[in-house]
Amino acid sequence: QKEVEQNSGPLSVPEGAIASLNCTYSDRGSQSFFWYRQYSGKSPELIMFIYSNGDKEDGRFTAQLNKASQYVSLLIRDSQPSDSATYLCAVNPQGGKLIFGQGTELSVKP
Amino acid sequence: ETGVTQTPRHLVMGMTNKKSLKCEQHLGHNAMYWYKQSAKKPLELMFVYNFKEQTENNSVPSRFSPECPNSSHLFLHLHTLQPEDSALYLCASSQEMGTGDLNYGYTFGSGTRLTVV
Repeated sequence: QKEVEQNSGPLSVPEGAIASLNCTYSDRGSQSFFWYRQYSGKSPELIMFIYSNGDKEDGRFTAQLNKASQYVSLLIRDSQPSDSATYLCAVNPQGGKLIFGQGTELSVKP
Repeated sequence: ETGVTQTPRHLVMGMTNKKSLKCEQHLGHNAMYWYKQSAKKPLELMFVYNFKEQTENNSVPSRFSPECPNSSHLFLHLHTLQPEDSALYLCASSQEMGTGDLNYGYTFGSGTRLTVV
């Protein structure tokens, strides 16, 4: 079992819809969780982080964490074509290095 | 300058050449990382340095040689590379590792696009 799992996609949503990106992790002691966005040929950019169970909202982005289910998600409301990118989930297992998922490719169609 | 700076942005080298990639961070971080990302592939962790000491080498071929003279600078020395080494090489930094405290994530540089011919 991979330590951090994401569906590779591509996930295709129409412009204006909600995009839902999911991630599961194996280390139950993980403490911090991150979402990075990576445009093609560019470096990853941190867009959200979450430490506590529940929801965290920042503009059109909402991160959701459920430690009991070992599940973290990213919702993008009112998706725009500029949101088309690969989204990387990363998990910090108890102070060690970040473990990255393989990324989910999101395509927002006009 | 702020953030993590990588140079050069693009590099084309022959298989017999020797070149170096440079990474510099201005964030006061103590941990630095080299990642390789081939086209349409996930990030591959290569090396980890924490307070200038190498703490991880993920079975990277010896034709890649890292150097970390201080917590702000990280180099990746390249020699006798193969065409399959062509990729985006990313440097990242973070506050530190292994303390058990909450980690504030990594900051990535813009990367070096390497082509081996």
